[in-house]
Amino acid sequence: DGGITQSPKYLFRKEGQNVTLSCEQNLNHDAMYWYRQDPGQGLRLIYYSQIVNDFQKGDIAEGYSVSREKKESFPLTVTSAQKNPTAFYLCASSMLGVYNEQFFGPGTRLTVL
Amino acid sequence: GQQVMQIPQYQHVQEGEDFTTYCNSSTTLSNIQWYKQRPGGHPVFLIQLVKSGEVKKQKRLTFQFGEAKKNSSLHITATQTTDVGTYFCSGNNAGNMLTFGGGTRLMVKP
Repeated sequence: DGGITQSPKYLFRKEGQNVTLSCEQNLNHDAMYWYRQDPGQGLRLIYYSQIVNDFQKGDIAEGYSVSREKKESFPLTVTSAQKNPTAFYLCASSMLGVYNEQFFGPGTRLTVL
Repeated sequence: GQQVMQIPQYQHVQEGEDFTTYCNSSTTLSNIQWYKQRPGGHPVFLIQLVKSGEVKKQKRLTFQFGEAKKNSSLHITATQTTDVGTYFCSGNNAGNMLTFGGGTRLMVKP
């Protein structure tokens, strides 16, 4: 059953703690993306990767970090430097090129207490 | 950087009424994609438009790409409660990334 998975679905953290969100895909896609969505807002790009061991900053990369050690996996770390981390985080993947549709995971809702 | 604007931000309609959302870019786009996100869900791809003036239909949904490739619209005829959700456009201006609009949230009263 091909798809893209994210875990956990809900995550709570205390201020000052780093937290890592998981994203895995078995669609054999080269490109993977992380977006942040705030209530009633659109999707803002945090980071993207088009090949293993390489990734690029998106529009709102400050306070976040990523790694791409395997084609299937693109974890996102929300660091304590992120001023307002409470949000819905969406991971997506696609074949290379902007003419290919993006497939989204179910998302992780992060709440900072 | 590239910006893609969507209007309106919200739309309430009575079931059976039509609905339209508009997507506008200040720069020429190579392509436009449309996605739908149901409440509590994740965006799901609907369609892609590539050619100037292109029109595509999916049942009650009609998608258009402007002649100048700077704007696009999604029109839903005779809305149903199943149409509820947020509709996003995303466009590319010959770079290597798609930029998403802010979305239009559609609410349908039965």
